[in-house]
Amino acid sequence: AQSVSQHNHHVILSEAASLELGCNYSYGGTVNLFWYVQYPGQHLQLLLKYFSGDPLVKGIKGFEAEFIKSKFSFNLRKPSVQWSDTAEYFCAVRANAGKSTFGDGTTLTVKP
Amino acid sequence: EAEVAQSPRYKITEKSQAVAFWCDPISGHATLYWYRQILGQGPELLVQFQDESVVDDSQLPKDRFSAERLKGVDSTLKIQPAELGDSAMYLCASSRDTSGGWLNEQFFGPGTRLTVL
Repeated sequence: AQSVSQHNHHVILSEAASLELGCNYSYGGTVNLFWYVQYPGQHLQLLLKYFSGDPLVKGIKGFEAEFIKSKFSFNLRKPSVQWSDTAEYFCAVRANAGKSTFGDGTTLTVKP
Repeated sequence: EAEVAQSPRYKITEKSQAVAFWCDPISGHATLYWYRQILGQGPELLVQFQDESVVDDSQLPKDRFSAERLKGVDSTLKIQPAELGDSAMYLCASSRDTSGGWLNEQFFGPGTRLTVL
């Protein structure tokens, strides 16, 4: 069974700082990888996804993630965060036709 | 924009009582998922439907939880009897999958927050 580990439970940054949230998964086969975001009071929504091809994936709102197969990682990045990026971020992995497994989330607080 | 609907948004119940949650997926979405999210953790899949059939309920505590999607559209998740440890957010999601394919985005509803006293 696959598992997902998000290294940081809570990250606090000032506006304009760069962001990198770690995500590692354990599964030996082909996977689909996702980052979801949940803004305060809102639904979970998809930020970006990786299925195949270019390992550098660009998502909404200036976010990107890089799939490094050898490291089983799919870290989320943004060069310059804004106050409106304050939210909880979840990494998820989906193997073959199986279910999605989510990490425990990272809460990002951006100070204005 | 089409959304996944869930009701109620909040539910408070006493232990040993029965509770039920309802989900209406986005029109045309064949696959429906129920997740449980305990505070401080990520969502955990309880059950997945393809149309009206269950394709994965391996994490569903079947002694007290049941789920149905009789006509392959909306779905109900029931807990009977509720226990203190069931307090959590229950999320419903849907995706277009029509063949069990795994390339389709899941759209999440707002969730039902259950508190068991």
